[in-house]
Amino acid sequence: NAGVMQNPRHLVRRRGQEARLRCSPMKGHSHVYWYRQLPEEGLKFMVYLQKENIIDESGMPKERFSAEFPKEGPSILRIQQVVRGDSAAYFCASSPDKKGYDSPLHFGNGTRLTVT
Amino acid sequence: SQQGEEDPQALSIQEGENATMNCSYKTSINNLQWYRQNSGRGLVHLILIRSNEREKHSGRLRVTLDTSKKSSSLLITASRAADTASYFCATGDSNYQLIWGAGTKLIIKP
Repeated sequence: NAGVMQNPRHLVRRRGQEARLRCSPMKGHSHVYWYRQLPEEGLKFMVYLQKENIIDESGMPKERFSAEFPKEGPSILRIQQVVRGDSAAYFCASSPDKKGYDSPLHFGNGTRLTVT
Repeated sequence: SQQGEEDPQALSIQEGENATMNCSYKTSINNLQWYRQNSGRGLVHLILIRSNEREKHSGRLRVTLDTSKKSSSLLITASRAADTASYFCATGDSNYQLIWGAGTKLIIKP
């Protein structure tokens, strides 16, 4: 049973370009969480999605950032017009449980975004 | 906002010794989870302890929870080089979000 798959592992973008990060949850999981992590820091919640629904995007900047989890295909985190401050590791996690806090999260290995 | 705070921020011990990490939080919780993160990788779930539990074991790991003090500890016994990683606690309340601490960086010296 494949784990959470994120791609690409590393992504380099120039300032002003768009970044698209993909996440395929574990088989049977319909809940996806995106987190951002800066070096030597913990995780910052960005957005929680279920299939075709954004449940909570309170951790995501209102401008330039968007996320989706379509009926078919992976979840996408999209960052438009990237700036240097967007450089970070972005992690996706999935869970099967409606109450995501009550069951372990399964994480991908992250996408490391570098903005030059 | 980050609720969990791990202590110490960094810990370096000899292989074979026990390692203890602590986590404090501020609000009431339903459960507390511990995760491990190896350098450059995603987080791996270690243990989930519910608010009505006081202690839980998994292999060489022992987690305690004191809800009156709003704190938890993670003990790794007989440490190995492979235990070198960052360890994070995360608290779950009635909401669906987990609130994460900044982590303890554990280094096991051979």
